[in-house]
Amino acid sequence: GAVVSQHPSWVICKSGTSVKIECRSLDFQATTMFWYRQFPKQSLMLMATSNEGSKATYEQGVEKDKFLINHASLTLSTLTVTSAHPEDSSFYICSARDYTGRGSSGANVLTFGAGSRLTVL
Amino acid sequence: AQSVAQPEDQVNVAEGNPLTVKCTYSVSGNPYLFWYVQYPNRGLQFLLKYITGDNLVKGSYGFEAEFNKSQTSFHLKKPSALVSDSALYFCAVRDSLRGSYIPTFGRGTSLIVHP
Repeated sequence: GAVVSQHPSWVICKSGTSVKIECRSLDFQATTMFWYRQFPKQSLMLMATSNEGSKATYEQGVEKDKFLINHASLTLSTLTVTSAHPEDSSFYICSARDYTGRGSSGANVLTFGAGSRLTVL
Repeated sequence: AQSVAQPEDQVNVAEGNPLTVKCTYSVSGNPYLFWYVQYPNRGLQFLLKYITGDNLVKGSYGFEAEFNKSQTSFHLKKPSALVSDSALYFCAVRDSLRGSYIPTFGRGTSLIVHP
């Protein structure tokens, strides 16, 4: 079935530094990936849609210069949190859809990465 | 516009008892409905979906959900709860008429199964 790998699982950084999170589709090609942010005990907030070979589409209120998204290949999207501050601390989750539908869940189902816990000191 | 509501922040149930996690939705066209489960510090795992066909959908780990068009609901159920079912459950909906394939997620319901 479709598998999405997300790395790192945990990251702690100092305020002002940048952090890169990777999202890979392991056994399928993902022309589109999605980045979510999740606050404690809250739902998923869609941050942006990552499109292979083109600019990401950001949701309203999400700073594109703060959260840089690059989707350079059909299996890899990266989210870089630039000049991170403590308020950026959160759980970031990526997802992708296997359009071929070969996975057991079918083409309409999103496959999620395991998430990345970012803590900015 | 598409939206989904999970009216309960938390559901408590004793192990062995049946459980229900509620979900209602709103779409312009026909709904594609999904349930996902999230364990602590993990991403979401797909449980089941309704696209078309039988209103009763069976999914992973013994869970099932019933699509009710008249009540615009898609409640998640399990006949006998396990302590290991304790997790955060998300309902999601996508409008079949929309060009976008991005689902809208509910706020999540924390299921706590007591031994």
